[in-house]
Amino acid sequence: DAGITQSPRHKVTETGTPVTLRCHQTENHRYMYWYRQDPGHGLRLIHYSYGVKDTDKGEVSDGYSVSRSKTEDFLLTLESATSSQTSVYFCAISRTGTMSNQPQHFGDGTRLSIL
Amino acid sequence: TQLLEQSPQFLSIQEGENLTVYCNSSSVFSSLQWYRQEPGEGPVLLVTVVTGGEVKKLKRLTFQFGDARKDSSLHITAAQTGDTGLYLCAGGTNFGNEKLTFGTGTRLTIIP
Repeated sequence: DAGITQSPRHKVTETGTPVTLRCHQTENHRYMYWYRQDPGHGLRLIHYSYGVKDTDKGEVSDGYSVSRSKTEDFLLTLESATSSQTSVYFCAISRTGTMSNQPQHFGDGTRLSIL
Repeated sequence: TQLLEQSPQFLSIQEGENLTVYCNSSSVFSSLQWYRQEPGEGPVLLVTVVTGGEVKKLKRLTFQFGDARKDSSLHITAAQTGDTGLYLCAGGTNFGNEKLTFGTGTRLTIIP
């Protein structure tokens, strides 16, 4: 299994509080991705990174920010959590990105509940 | 925006039966990947198809990429309870966009 660790695995917090989720990889892969998974929507991309300090928005980036200061860590921050951000969040990594048809390897997810 | 629609959304069949799930789009993809996800875990890659009309087999699973590279299908022969899970297709492009577009998913339940 690819070495991807997401933390925390579960979190319950209140509306309006900041939340940071962490993704740590030991594979030295260049690309890292944050997705959210909701019933009926499959996986939707929030943000992704193609290198240290290089990030770009996905299709559902509003209300989220990311940072990547080291190859191995990709942080997702909800500046002021809202109930609509209750979801399961997945981190994924890829060696060279989709243009070379490389697969993405996923962590086991973080279940986030915003009350 | 590229969209991938999967059908059916839910499928429940008896062990030993055959089934096919579909992944359709109006957009062309340079590659199509299929993932399986089990409860409490992240998706795991099953296969990647890259050529229009390509067929790949993985034991009892047969994957096909449409000739126009807009659709794909997954056929399972003699389903087993271990096939239960969420099946996701994902399309990639070579337009300088390093993102996958994921389908809406098919939740498959195999009844013993």
